[in-house]
Amino acid sequence: GNSVTQMEGPVTLSEEAFLTINCTYTATGYPSLFWYVQYPGEGLQLLLKATKADDKGSNKGFEATYRKETTSFHLEKGSVQVSDSAVYFCALSDQWKLVFGQGTRLTINP
Amino acid sequence: GAVVSQHPSWVICKSGTSVKIECRSLDFQATTMFWYRQFPKQSLMLMATSNEGSKATYEQGVEKDKFLINHASLTLSTLTVTSAHPEDSSFYICSAYLRTSTDTQYFGPGTRLTVL
Repeated sequence: GNSVTQMEGPVTLSEEAFLTINCTYTATGYPSLFWYVQYPGEGLQLLLKATKADDKGSNKGFEATYRKETTSFHLEKGSVQVSDSAVYFCALSDQWKLVFGQGTRLTINP
Repeated sequence: GAVVSQHPSWVICKSGTSVKIECRSLDFQATTMFWYRQFPKQSLMLMATSNEGSKATYEQGVEKDKFLINHASLTLSTLTVTSAHPEDSSFYICSAYLRTSTDTQYFGPGTRLTVL
């Protein structure tokens, strides 16, 4: 079946550091790929998405590229801020269902 | 746009009682809503898919008689946890499809259920 694997956290970085959170997937067909973010005490928010191979999703300085050849959708940001501290979930769409990775907790220290 | 609300945001109940959680799409119509359960520091697990005007489709291992789902209108779905027990304590999250969207779900803020 379809599945998503994220790098294990927690991840702790200093402000202005470069961020990468790895995400790989297993799927039949050509799913859409997503990154969702969950800030403390809040619900999930869509951060970015890509619907086909080589698409790049971007938002708030975050980027992720749909790599079909490596079945990956790694999340990157060039310079993180304290306000980026949250839990990040990679997900794919299986028809209308979302399959989530286990989540990666990110903490940014000033 | 695309706001989804849940009510209540948290609830504490005694073991054996039933609890109803509402999920509303505030500014769009949602033919399909989803209910998830999230355990502490874990991912979201899909419980069921709720389609307006029809019976919900439950994921394997989810007791449909325990978790009653009703999707009576295009903007409201409810999850009722019947005869709740402490092991039902969890964070319950709903999401809704924007009707004109192909595959984007919008999530509610979640409901924290604690069963004593």
